[in-house]
Amino acid sequence: GAGVSQSPSNKVTEKGKDVELRCDPISGHTALYWYRQSLGQGLEFLIYFQGNSAPDKSGLPSDRFSAERTGGSVSTLTIQRTQQEDSAVYLCASSPPERGGETQYFGPGTRLLVL
Amino acid sequence: GDSVTQMEGPVTLSEEAFLTINCTYTATGYPSLFWYVQYPGEGLQLLLKATKADDKGSNKGFEATYRKETTSFHLEKGSVQVSDSAVYFCALSDRADKLIFGTGTRLQVFP
Repeated sequence: GAGVSQSPSNKVTEKGKDVELRCDPISGHTALYWYRQSLGQGLEFLIYFQGNSAPDKSGLPSDRFSAERTGGSVSTLTIQRTQQEDSAVYLCASSPPERGGETQYFGPGTRLLVL
Repeated sequence: GDSVTQMEGPVTLSEEAFLTINCTYTATGYPSLFWYVQYPGEGLQLLLKATKADDKGSNKGFEATYRKETTSFHLEKGSVQVSDSAVYFCALSDRADKLIFGTGTRLQVFP
């Protein structure tokens, strides 16, 4: 079946511009996660959605970062006024409704480069 | 807070050698433990997992045992292949189920 999809696959932007990254989770998965993979920081958690609500936003690095999820499905991660240190691969993952140690399925990522 | 520490890489082995990648964790409570793998040019995928103490996860010849007494989840394989060359990430999931990853260990297997 279809896995987690993300778009765009690559994004090049200029410093100071806003970007939107999209994630389509696996159908029926209620939990959705955003992570960031960068050279200096490894894999970092950003935000977690259960349905449309975000009980854990603790990983968002600054108020320039925000995310929303609508219809319990698609999620958008928005970075405002991008900075060069935002360059990274942004990964989305989803997992099924059962709680406790459930496998997260990752998308291919969006590679963001801020010039 | 919760954290995962795994051995620095790269790990370089000849084909058919024995592999161990060490992973230790710090956590409150009883997390689930995972190994994820990222093959060149591909996304992250689950390799194996264990959800409670003394559980052994296994897949594709890889194994790891959840050791609560040593807070470890070391990855092992008896005979590696060139196709196992990848970056391996140890991770735990906390009460909110978010994954906390180690820094990753690159494995290079040569024929």
